[in-house]
Amino acid sequence: GAVVSQHPSWVICKSGTSVKIECRSLDFQATTMFWYRQFPKQSLMLMATSNEGSKATYEQGVEKDKFLINHASLTLSTLTVTSAHPEDSSFYICSARDRRSGDYGYTFGSGTRLTVV
Amino acid sequence: GENVEQHPSTLSVQEGDSAVIKCTYSDSASNYFPWYKQELGKGPQLIIDIRSNVGEKKDQRIAVTLNKTAKHFSLHITETQPEDSAVYFCAASMGGNQFYFGTGTSLTVIP
Repeated sequence: GAVVSQHPSWVICKSGTSVKIECRSLDFQATTMFWYRQFPKQSLMLMATSNEGSKATYEQGVEKDKFLINHASLTLSTLTVTSAHPEDSSFYICSARDRRSGDYGYTFGSGTRLTVV
Repeated sequence: GENVEQHPSTLSVQEGDSAVIKCTYSDSASNYFPWYKQELGKGPQLIIDIRSNVGEKKDQRIAVTLNKTAKHFSLHITETQPEDSAVYFCAASMGGNQFYFGTGTSLTVIP
């Protein structure tokens, strides 16, 4: 089945620095990738939708200049948290759509635990 | 937009018993309803899904039912095992668009 690889699985960074999270579709081409954020014991909240070769669409309340998303190829999307602050500490998860499965083939990455100190 | 509600938030069952988690959705245009299992520190894993043209789907010990008229769908796990302990999320989607997730159910199976 479809596999989405997300790295790193966890990262600790100092306040004010930037962190990049990668999401790769290993055995399929992903025209669309979604980035979610999940706080402890809460549900997944969609941050943005990225389409290969075009700008990401951000959900209301998500700062596009702080959470930079790049989807330059059909197998790679990156989320960069710029000038990270402790309140950005969270679990970030990507999801990719498998074109072969049409509209219903979504696979999630394993998530990245970000801790800003 | 779509609103998905999920109940209960926590559920404890004895090993071997059945577990049922229920979700309701608001937008009748939603046509795809997946269920995900999330273990601590990991991403969600799809365990079963159902499309709006089907009323029930079963995969071994797991089944999902959908009532389009009432706009609710349920996850049924039979013969529960300790390894079924995890957080379960329901979601609703309109085809190729974003998923709207429920608030999650923490299931504990007591040996």
